Amino acid sequence: AQSVAQPEDQVNVAEGNPLTVKCTYSVSGNPYLFWYVQYPNRGLQFLLKYITGDNLVKGSYGFEAEFNKSQTSFHLKKPSALVSDSALYFCAVRDDPRDDKIIFGKGTRLHILP
Amino acid sequence: EAGVAQSPRYKIIEKRQSVAFWCNPISGHATLYWYQQILGQGPKLLIQFQNNGVVDDSQLPKDRFSAERLKGVDSTLKIQPAKLEDSAVYLCASSLDQGLLGKLFFGSGTQLSVL
Repeated sequence: AQSVAQPEDQVNVAEGNPLTVKCTYSVSGNPYLFWYVQYPNRGLQFLLKYITGDNLVKGSYGFEAEFNKSQTSFHLKKPSALVSDSALYFCAVRDDPRDDKIIFGKGTRLHILP
Repeated sequence: EAGVAQSPRYKIIEKRQSVAFWCNPISGHATLYWYQQILGQGPKLLIQFQNNGVVDDSQLPKDRFSAERLKGVDSTLKIQPAKLEDSAVYLCASSLDQGLLGKLFFGSGTQLSVL
């Protein structure tokens, strides 16, 4: 069965600095990988996805993520953090073509310090 | 475009009582999901519908949870009887493509507290 791990419960970054939120995954087939963001009292919002192709994918709000097959990782990145980026970030995976279920990690709270 | 609508926003009940949540997906979205998000954890899929048929309910505690999606549009999730460990946010989501490309649209959720 597929699984996804987010090793950090919280990440603190100073505003203007680059940020990275880590994610590793485990699948039997081909990984479809996703990042979602959850702002307070809001539902989850889709940020970006990796299906195939270029290992660096770009998404909403200036975020990007790098797929690394050898390290089974899909880290979320942004060159310059904003205070408004403070939120809960979830990595998710689908095990193609074995399973249609999308499995979410436990989440990482990103705190951008002004 | 209207988003995924859920109600109620909050619900407080005592254990052994019953509760129901309602979800109206985005118009035209054939796939509907119910996720349970316990504090400090990621969302866990409870049930996935394709139109009015169940695609996956392997993690639904069927002795107390039930869900239906009559007419392939709105859906209700029911818990009867509730336990303390059911305290969580219940998220409804919908998608166009069975979620194959991972783009799910989530509602704001129903926060359930079981006392």
